[in-house]
Amino acid sequence: KQEVTQIPAALSVPEGENLVLNCSFTDSAIYNLQWFRQDPGKGLTSLLLIQSSQREQTSGRLNASLDKSSGRSTLYIAASQPGDSATYLCAVSYNNAGNMLTFGGGTRLMVKP
Amino acid sequence: DAGVIQSPRHEVTEMGQEVTLRCKPISGHDYLFWYRQTMMRGLELLIYFNNNVPIDDSGMPEDRFSAKMPNASFSTLKIQPSEPRDSAVYFCASGPGGLETQYFGPGTRLLVL
Repeated sequence: KQEVTQIPAALSVPEGENLVLNCSFTDSAIYNLQWFRQDPGKGLTSLLLIQSSQREQTSGRLNASLDKSSGRSTLYIAASQPGDSATYLCAVSYNNAGNMLTFGGGTRLMVKP
Repeated sequence: DAGVIQSPRHEVTEMGQEVTLRCKPISGHDYLFWYRQTMMRGLELLIYFNNNVPIDDSGMPEDRFSAKMPNASFSTLKIQPSEPRDSAVYFCASGPGGLETQYFGPGTRLLVL
């Protein structure tokens, strides 16, 4: 059974700092990995999706990497801003349609002005 | 597009009552997903549909839970009878399929007393 772990569970940083969120998964037979953002009381918003054949994806100040063989992914946020404060979840797909997702527990990020 | 629409946004009910949660997916999306989020178990996939047909319901916790999708623009998740341990946030998501991302609704916060 696939298990997804995110470390740390919570993180507080001053504005402007670069930071890394970690995600690990136990079964390397994944089809893709996604990073989502969840604001309090809201649904999830997809940030980056990395297909299993890819190593990384970038969007603005966000960069996500994937190392399938070691079962790890990182989300790098450059020059953090207070608006980045949210919970970040990673999810891996485990069926060949790529749409059955197992989620990690999330990292709750607070960026202080 | 208005995104994925869920109703009600909040539901408070008493143990033993029937609860019906509703979802309108994004037009043109062939896939619809129901998730449950709790503090203890995180975000879990309950069931998903492809072209209105249930494909995988292995995440449905008990026979008290049922889901239907009578047409491409509407789905329901029903709990009968409800129990306090069903208290959670229930999310509906839709997606175009393939190895593409999913778009989440704002969720229904359910409290069973």
